[in-house]
Amino acid sequence: GESVGLHLPTLSVQEGDNSIINCAYSNSASDYFIWYKQESGKGPQFIIDIRSNMDKRQGQRVTVLLNKTVKHLSLQIAATQPGDSAVYFCAESMDTGRRALTFGSGTRLQVQP
Amino acid sequence: NAGVTQTPKFRVLKTGQSMTLLCAQDMNHEYMYWYRQDPGMGLRLIHYSVGEGTTAKGEVPDGYNVSRLKKQNFLLGLESAAPSQTSVYFCASSTFGTSGRNEQFFGPGTRLTVL
Repeated sequence: GESVGLHLPTLSVQEGDNSIINCAYSNSASDYFIWYKQESGKGPQFIIDIRSNMDKRQGQRVTVLLNKTVKHLSLQIAATQPGDSAVYFCAESMDTGRRALTFGSGTRLQVQP
Repeated sequence: NAGVTQTPKFRVLKTGQSMTLLCAQDMNHEYMYWYRQDPGMGLRLIHYSVGEGTTAKGEVPDGYNVSRLKKQNFLLGLESAAPSQTSVYFCASSTFGTSGRNEQFFGPGTRLTVL
């Protein structure tokens, strides 16, 4: 079946550096993408989303890039902080009645002081 | 405003036992979902509901049942627990939203161990 996946299972960065987390998706019909952050022992928290009619969206210290040609999504975190250490998931959905999300397997971000 | 809450937080069952996980949301959301998360993996959809009185199967529904008798509650039942159902279970809710955002709000999770 179609799925959302990630290139790197673990990413280690120095505090203050920029982080880039990548995600590949295979369902060309998906039109909505979300990045979630999950800290240890907690449920996922929304970070940023993007629709398929956009290729870039910026939030506070985060930017999501969407390349529909190669079905690639990335999350950029500027000036990474220790509090950014977590597992990051990308998720996709189609504008159907159930509005359910298909999640990737996650990337663990470790921020070194 | 508590958001999404889940009861219990932890549970240990023996094979063959039954239990019900309760999810409650106070945001008046139409949609509710149950996911399971296994170690090193993303969340997989078990069942979902698009409104009070309605339920539907997700990716991995076998061995689970659900009910949505009230809009704010979504119950997940295990009739005869199996070790393969050892997992962390997350409930989520979402609404239509005029912004187009399909943000799902997640509960803190229930860690279930089946021996």
